[in-house]
Order: sequence, then C-alpha cells, then structure tokens
Amino acid sequence: EIVLTQSPGTLSLSPGERATLSCRASQSVSSTYLAWYQQKPGQAPSLLIYGASSRATGIPDRFSGSGSGTDFTLTISRLEPEDFAVYYCQHYGSSPLTFGGGTKVEIK
Amino acid sequence: EVQLVESGGGLVKPGGSLRLSCAASGFIFSNSGMNWVRQAPGKGLEWVSSISSGSSYISYADSVKGRFTISRDNTKNSLWLQMNSLRAEDTAVYYCARGSGSYGNYYFDCWGQGTLVTVSS
Repeated sequence: EIVLTQSPGTLSLSPGERATLSCRASQSVSSTYLAWYQQKPGQAPSLLIYGASSRATGIPDRFSGSGSGTDFTLTISRLEPEDFAVYYCQHYGSSPLTFGGGTKVEIK
Repeated sequence: EVQLVESGGGLVKPGGSLRLSCAASGFIFSNSGMNWVRQAPGKGLEWVSSISSGSSYISYADSVKGRFTISRDNTKNSLWLQMNSLRAEDTAVYYCARGSGSYGNYYFDCWGQGTLVTVSS
C-alpha cells in the first residue's frame, strides 16, 4: 500500500498570498496517477488536478500541480477567499487507492 | 448536468446491515467506473470500493473486504453498496464517485453529496 503524507497539516495565509502544499509518497508513484481534491465544509470533495499536473474542467489557472517520484506539490498562486478549504492528494496507480491526510488552508 | 445522488444511510446497530444506493444521471453510466469513498466524522477520505463499467473488475479496501459488496445495474443507472457486519468504525459519510482513468486506476471526477451511516447501539 502506498502511504501519502501531506504537509503541513494546516497552512495559515492571507488572501492574495501563495500557497504551497506537499504530498509525499512512501514509494515512487507514476505522475500519471496522482490527483488533488478540494473540500469545503459540509460539501463533497471536488477534483482539482489529475495526472499530477492536469487541471480538471473549470479549475482556474491559479491552481497548479507538479512533481514526480515520491514528491508532489499543489500550488495556489494567489489565494482567493473561496480557496480556503481542505486539500487532499490521492494516488490511483494501484489498489488500494489511497488519500493523504489532508492540508487545511485557513485564513490568517 | 452530471449528477450522483446517494440514499440509504441511517442508524444501524453493530453487526447490522445496510444497503446504499447511488442514482446517476447526466452521463453515460455504462461507460464509467464507479466507486464508493467514505469520510468518518472530522476525518479524511478513505477509498472503499471500485467497480468497472461492465462489472468485470471489482476491488475493496482491506477494511471492508468480506463484509461489503459493490454492484451496479447499467440498465437502471444505479450503483449499490451492500454493507454487512457493520462496526462502529464504519460510521462515516459515504460518497458515490465517478471514476476516470484506466481500468481500476481511478481518480474521482464527480461526487455525490454523500449519505451518513451511523453504527451505534
């Protein structure tokens, strides 16, 4: 099983700032099989990024994904008020599919 | 508009059973892998089970293997999760999610609103 560790657990930033979220895998993951999700309180998660760097339909270009091997990053270039949420990474290259523990981006 | 609507959640005693349903609309259901993902209160996401478009591929998390059964009916655009021998640790919101990607290697591009399952005496 591939274990995904996300850091930091909580990120306190102000609107307009840049957010950098990390997802580290316990073994190498093909970049084809790494996704990122956003979840707001009381809502279902929604897909942001798949294939490590491809934005899902309708996702603004302030969201970008990068990385390879065991280290992946989600970057939000300039935080908008609606971006304060919890973010999860997910690997889907083999069973079991696994998620990271999440990073909460909160308003400073 | 792509839509997934779960139902069937509720309060059940430990050892009991529950069947969750997911009604799909707005896309060609028979072309899509489908999945169940759960989230315990205040916790992160946990993949539960996947089924391929034609039901030839089925996979389960170790935590539910032997107790849960995923199934689908493409003529009814419906997905189910039969949950038996329920435990307190199965308490969670259960999401139905459409899978994209290759066979069994799914990321989740559309999610339902979730249905809450509470296992308690």
